[in-house]
Amino acid sequence: GDSVTQMEGPVTLSEEAFLTINCTYTATGYPSLFWYVQYPGEGLQLLLKATKADDKGSNKGFEATYRKETTSFHLEKGSVQVSDSAVYFCALRGSGYALNFGKGTSLLVTP
Amino acid sequence: GAGVSQSPSNKVTEKGKDVELRCDPISGHTALYWYRQRLGQGLEFLIYFQGNSAPDKSGLPSDRFSAERTGESVSTLTIQRTQQEDSAVYLCASSLGRGQSSYNEQFFGPGTRLTVL
Repeated sequence: GDSVTQMEGPVTLSEEAFLTINCTYTATGYPSLFWYVQYPGEGLQLLLKATKADDKGSNKGFEATYRKETTSFHLEKGSVQVSDSAVYFCALRGSGYALNFGKGTSLLVTP
Repeated sequence: GAGVSQSPSNKVTEKGKDVELRCDPISGHTALYWYRQRLGQGLEFLIYFQGNSAPDKSGLPSDRFSAERTGESVSTLTIQRTQQEDSAVYLCASSLGRGQSSYNEQFFGPGTRLTVL
């Protein structure tokens, strides 16, 4: 069945550092891929998405490219801020309608 | 407008008791989803409602779990005879419809943290 694997956290970075959170997936067909973010005390929010191979999703300085050849959707940001501290979830939606999530990666950015 | 709301935000119960968790979706959203997140795990799909269609219950882990939805409004997730392994954050999401369209982005509530002692 469909599954998502993302790097384990927690990840601790200094402000302005480069961020990569790895995400790989297993799915039949052509899934849509998502990154969700959960800020402390808040609900999950959609951060970005890509619906087909080679699409790049971007939002708030974050980017992720749908790589079908490596079945990956790594999240990147060139310069993180303290306000980016949150838990990040990679997810896919295959032929159905429910989202299939990774376990989440906690990011802490220190001043 | 208001987002998805859930109540209670926290619930502590004793093993063997029944609990009810409530979700108020965004007004006008016909699709509603329940997910569970156990500690250190990703979100697991539990159940899906779409309008007046029969719900997809394929993710419910046991017959102790059930959910109802009145029309296109409030949903209640009920867990009977709770067990310690039911301890988790229960998340509700809603969307305008179903399928792959961006029209159908899922919006999540803040969750209910359930602790079974």
